[in-house]
Amino acid sequence: DQQVKQNSPSLSVQEGRISILNCDYTNSMFDYFLWYKKYPAEGPTFLISISSIKDKNEDGRFTVFLNKSAKHLSLHIVPSQPGDSAVYFCAAGSSGSARQLTFGSGTQLTVLP
Amino acid sequence: DTGVSQDPRHKITKRGQNVTFRCDPISEHNRLYWYRQTLGQGPEFLTYFQNEAQLEKSRLLSDRFSAERPKGSFSTLEIQRTEQGDSAMYLCASSLYPGARSAQFFGPGTRLTVL
Repeated sequence: DQQVKQNSPSLSVQEGRISILNCDYTNSMFDYFLWYKKYPAEGPTFLISISSIKDKNEDGRFTVFLNKSAKHLSLHIVPSQPGDSAVYFCAAGSSGSARQLTFGSGTQLTVLP
Repeated sequence: DTGVSQDPRHKITKRGQNVTFRCDPISEHNRLYWYRQTLGQGPEFLTYFQNEAQLEKSRLLSDRFSAERPKGSFSTLEIQRTEQGDSAMYLCASSLYPGARSAQFFGPGTRLTVL
C-alpha cells in the first residue's frame, strides 16, 4: 500500500525551462511534506518543505505547491539547470506520529543542455 | 564537515555473516533515524531514536536487526545472519526535535551486498 506515489519515473526538460515534478498521497494524517534530491552514490539532500497550513512555499528556483483537497503536491524548478539532473523524492510526515517520513519511489529528472 | 557521516560506505559479505554499520549524526541533533533503500524505491523507515531511547521500530526490522544509540550520539545498526534480501542501501538521518517540523538530514549511506 503506497501512501506516497510519484507516478512519473522519469522527466526530461530543456535547460532554462520549467521542471514540474508531481506527487500524490493517500494518508490524510500527513501534515508535512518535503522534497529531496539524490545524486548517485549519495544520500538524499533536503530541498524544500511545506506544512499543510500553507499551499505554497518558495526558495529560490524551487517552489512547492500543496493541494490538500486533491492530496497532491508538486515541485517546480525554474529555470532548470543541468546540475538539477538527479532523482527527486517526495516525502510526507505526520506530526502526530514518530515523525518518520514516508517516501515516494522517486522521479529521475534530466535537464538537457 | 558537520553533516551526517556513515561508515563503511560499502560492505560486501557472505550470507550468514553478521555486519555492523555506524552513523554519526549532526552533533546538535537529538533524533536519529535508520532507513533502507532498494533499487528503484524510496527510502523505507526502519527505526528511530530520540537521544538514546529507541522509540519506534518498523515491521521491516526483523529480529535479526538491532540498533543502538548508547550515549545519544552515534548509532550502530547490526544485521545478524545476513540474507541476500538484506542487500540494500542503509541510510541514516538526523534531525533536531522539537523544531518547526524540521527536516531530516541524510548521510551518504552504506551499501550492503550479501553474496
